[in-house]
Amino acid sequence: AQTVTQSQPEMSVQEAETVTLSCTYDTSESNYYLFWYKQPPSRQMILVIRQEAYKQQNATENRFSVNFQKAAKSFSLKISDSQLGDTAMYFCAFMGETGANNLFFGTGTRLTVIP
Amino acid sequence: GAVVSQHPSWVICKSGTSVKIECRSLDFQATTMFWYRQFPKQSLMLMATSNEGSKATYEQGVEKDKFLINHASLTLSTLTVTSAHPEDSSFYICSARDRRKEGSGNTEAFFGQGTRLTVV
Repeated sequence: AQTVTQSQPEMSVQEAETVTLSCTYDTSESNYYLFWYKQPPSRQMILVIRQEAYKQQNATENRFSVNFQKAAKSFSLKISDSQLGDTAMYFCAFMGETGANNLFFGTGTRLTVIP
Repeated sequence: GAVVSQHPSWVICKSGTSVKIECRSLDFQATTMFWYRQFPKQSLMLMATSNEGSKATYEQGVEKDKFLINHASLTLSTLTVTSAHPEDSSFYICSARDRRKEGSGNTEAFFGQGTRLTVV
């Protein structure tokens, strides 16, 4: 069974600063996908970034980047130049290549960007 | 990006009644849709996988007779909460993937905006 762990229930960061959200996972699958989703107060789930496990290069999307450590099963999200609009719940998620391809979510980290 | 529309956004119903929630993929077809439940300040928990033209696959602990899922077309899945009780009050979210991209490595799941159910 897959498990996703986010050990930081809440984080805060000053506007324009950088923050890193942690995520670890456990799986026996050899190939899989990892995601970070953002859930703002509207509750709409928004894909922030994704990483294919077979790719060694860390994914980046503008101000968002990941540090993917496959051996350690770690997948952290770095947000640079934090903006007030980044305030939201952030969920780390796992999807295996086998099975129904559903997402397994971590418990989330509530990020607050302070003006 | 692709759009998934979920309706209604919120609903209040009396205990003992049934409520139907719709999940539509507006500009793509989805062989598979997923239904999640989210309690306040908690994560999304998968309830069931909805398969077009066949029975849904329920996660352990989810009562299939309580949460009826129908996926009659490639663009619509419905979740019916039958004989609702206050403990069923929650936020329900659906997601879907574009069937054209299944198996291609394009793994983005598109989410509906969610439905807040309150049973009184």
